[in-house]
Amino acid sequence: NAGVTQTPKFQVLKTGQSMTLQCAQDMNHEYMSWYRQDPGMGLRLIHYSVGAGITDQGEVPNGYNVSRSTTEDFPLRLLSAAPSQTSVYFCASSQDQTSGAVRNTQYFGPGTRLTVL
Amino acid sequence: GIQVEQSPPDLILQEGANSTLRCNFSDSVNNLQWFHQNPWGQLINLFYIPSGTKQNGRLSATTVATERYSLLYISSSQTTDSGVYFCAVDPPFQGAQKLVFGQGTRLTINP
Repeated sequence: NAGVTQTPKFQVLKTGQSMTLQCAQDMNHEYMSWYRQDPGMGLRLIHYSVGAGITDQGEVPNGYNVSRSTTEDFPLRLLSAAPSQTSVYFCASSQDQTSGAVRNTQYFGPGTRLTVL
Repeated sequence: GIQVEQSPPDLILQEGANSTLRCNFSDSVNNLQWFHQNPWGQLINLFYIPSGTKQNGRLSATTVATERYSLLYISSSQTTDSGVYFCAVDPPFQGAQKLVFGQGTRLTINP
């Protein structure tokens, strides 16, 4: 298993440009999520999905869109990039949401480092 | 919302030393997870521990849910233990798992 993969690893955008960060998992996990990590801070939840066709907002959703058409893929779209969106973005997945270590343990991708000029 | 505080923010130790990292949270939680972010940025889950004690090799963790804190113990530290350690909690009654992370403890193990 490749686990959770993210592309690209690095990206530089100009203010106002749009782009899509890709995330895929091959573990047949129902739950997927996107986080951003800013310097010296922990991770903050942007959006999450509990299954194909179902998405919802996290703590910091403004400026981002998501969709989940398949179990495997959960892309994050930046509609009009702003310098405040300069960050490292992590995608994560877990088996599902029911209680218990096996089902709830989060697996993270390697991250995408995004700079908006 | 729930507050998660980790201490100390930074910890510098010599190889072979033991360390204790603390995570305090301000409300009840469904679950608590500890993560290690290595110097290359990769996040690895260490423990899923909403309550009780677990051990995995040189690492162990204890969560006292009634007193709203968790401890991560690292014994006989190695340079590969360096990185940032995060705890993350999932508050209840939200309809879905929404992890809230602390700001992390940066651990540096010198040879």
